[in-house]
Amino acid sequence: GAGVSQSPSNKVTEKGKDVELRCDPISGHTALYWYRQSLGQGLEFLIYFQGNSAPDKSGLPSDRFSAERTGGSVSTLTIQRTQQEDSAVYLCASSFGGVEPQHFGDGTRLSIL
Amino acid sequence: GDSVTQMEGPVTLSEEAFLTINCTYTATGYPSLFWYVQYPGEGLQLLLKATKADDKGSNKGFEATYRKETTSFHLEKGSVQVSDSAVYFCALSRTSGSRLTFGEGTQLTVNP
Repeated sequence: GAGVSQSPSNKVTEKGKDVELRCDPISGHTALYWYRQSLGQGLEFLIYFQGNSAPDKSGLPSDRFSAERTGGSVSTLTIQRTQQEDSAVYLCASSFGGVEPQHFGDGTRLSIL
Repeated sequence: GDSVTQMEGPVTLSEEAFLTINCTYTATGYPSLFWYVQYPGEGLQLLLKATKADDKGSNKGFEATYRKETTSFHLEKGSVQVSDSAVYFCALSRTSGSRLTFGEGTQLTVNP
């Protein structure tokens, strides 16, 4: 079956622009997570959705970052007024929730010029 | 807060050598423990998991045992292959549905 799908796979943009990153979870997975992977910071949690609600958004680094999930499926991570320190690989994961393991997409590599 | 510490890398081995990557954790309660593997240009793949003390997770010849007394979850494989070259991440999840907390990752290179 299809895994977690993320788009675009690569995004290059200028500092100050807004970007949207998309995640299509595995069908039936109610939990969805966003992480960021960058040199020197490792893998950092950003936000967790259960259905369309976000009970844990404590990892979002600033108010320039926001995320939403609609229909209990697709999620979009938006970064406004991008900065060079936002350059990283953004990973999305989904699961059935509970103690079920998370399944990851291949990520979006974001580069801010 | 929760934390995961992995042995420093990179690790370079010859094919058929024995592999150990150390992982220790700090967390309250009884977390679930995981090993994920990341191949170049790809996302993370679950390698194995253990959800309670003394559980042994295993997959593709890799094993790890949940040791609560030493708060450890060391990854082992008896005979590595070139195709095992990747970055390995140890992680924990403290409560159901919660975030994963990752270690720093260990780069493994296996030479023929």
